Amino acid sequence: KAGVTQTPRYLIKTRGQQVTLSCSPISGHRSVSWYQQTPGQGLQFLFEYFSETQRNKGNFPGRFSGRQFSNSRSEMNVSTLELGDSALYLCASSSVGRGHTEAFFGQGTRLTVV
Amino acid sequence: QQQVKQSPQSLIVQKGGISIINCAYENTAFDYFPWYQQFPGKGPALLIAIRPDVSEKKEGRFTISFNKSAKQFSLHIMDSQPGDSATYFCAASIENSGGSNYKLTFGKGTLLTVNP
Repeated sequence: KAGVTQTPRYLIKTRGQQVTLSCSPISGHRSVSWYQQTPGQGLQFLFEYFSETQRNKGNFPGRFSGRQFSNSRSEMNVSTLELGDSALYLCASSSVGRGHTEAFFGQGTRLTVV
Repeated sequence: QQQVKQSPQSLIVQKGGISIINCAYENTAFDYFPWYQQFPGKGPALLIAIRPDVSEKKEGRFTISFNKSAKQFSLHIMDSQPGDSATYFCAASIENSGGSNYKLTFGKGTLLTVNP
């Protein structure tokens, strides 16, 4: 069974640009979450999507947005990039069921803003 | 506001020794406490998890101890091996009423080095 796939693995963007990251969840998983990982702040929750709807949102500015498609694939977009947006962006997928289900993480997209 | 505090930031252990990482949380609504292991260049992977109705859970060399009254939980790695060298994150969450994925609140991580 293929794991969570994130593309691209690496990105270099200029301040002010926008970027779109992609995440393909494990087959059958309908919930996708996004996290930002930085050395200073650690892993921080961005948002969660389920059945094409954003159900949970972290404390990030509106420049960070996302969406989910009918096949559960998800994208996140960051507009007007700032230097502080440089980070590893991780996507996690999980199945739907009663109680907590394991979140499987992808390898992440390393975004560098210059 | 850091809801999950993790210590130490780094830990060096000799092969065969016991590695202990501690976490403390503030939100009493948290009802799921997983530990994740992350190797360089990889995403975090679930190691072991516990619910607050259990005080201890063991899986192989890895044990979680949970103290609900103190709002603390810890990871013990017995017989630590060089291959265990990685960054470990504790996390906490509240069960989503929708029964699926949920918002994980992570500790800042512990870099574990196991010397041969």
